[in-house]
Amino acid sequence: GAVVSQHPSWVICKSGTSVKIECRSLDFQATTMFWYRQFPKQSLMLMATSNEGSKATYEQGVEKDKFLINHASLTLSTLTVTSAHPEDSSFYICSARTLASNTGELFFGEGSRLTVL
Amino acid sequence: SQQGEEDPQALSIQEGENATMNCSYKTSINNLQWYRQNSGRGLVHLILIRSNEREKHSGRLRVTLDTSKKSSSLLITASRAADTASYFCATLTGGGNKLTFGTGTQLKVEL
Repeated sequence: GAVVSQHPSWVICKSGTSVKIECRSLDFQATTMFWYRQFPKQSLMLMATSNEGSKATYEQGVEKDKFLINHASLTLSTLTVTSAHPEDSSFYICSARTLASNTGELFFGEGSRLTVL
Repeated sequence: SQQGEEDPQALSIQEGENATMNCSYKTSINNLQWYRQNSGRGLVHLILIRSNEREKHSGRLRVTLDTSKKSSSLLITASRAADTASYFCATLTGGGNKLTFGTGTQLKVEL
């Protein structure tokens, strides 16, 4: 099956610093990747849709300048949380869809837990 | 508001029993999918049912879809302790580019 790798799996940083999270599709190409945020015991909230070679599409209420998304290749998307603050602490999960998929089935990374002190 | 609302929010059963989770949604869909999430991990796709299907099976999983009621159910038969996880429904809508997740059901299967 399709494998998505996410790194780092957890990160602790000081308030005001920036953190980059990588999402890689290991055995398939993904023109579209999705970034979700999940608070404890809650559902996944879509933050943005990352499109290879073009600007990401952000959901309403998500700050573009705060959460920078780059999708430079068909196998890599990155999410950078800029000037992180404690309220940005969360579980961030990426997902990808194979080029051939027309059902919307997503393959997920293992998530990255961000803790901002 | 949530496209998908699930109930119950939490379910605790004994190993060997069946577990049923329900999902309701608001808008018309292309398909509905169920995912599983172990604590602190990513999501794993379990099963997909298209809008023109009413029931689908995969191993110990059985999914039903009632588009007139905008609802779906996931049945896990003969549950095992390893089935302990959160289960989410997700709907594919509109242009088919975005999955919207439900609120989830936390299932605990006790020995």
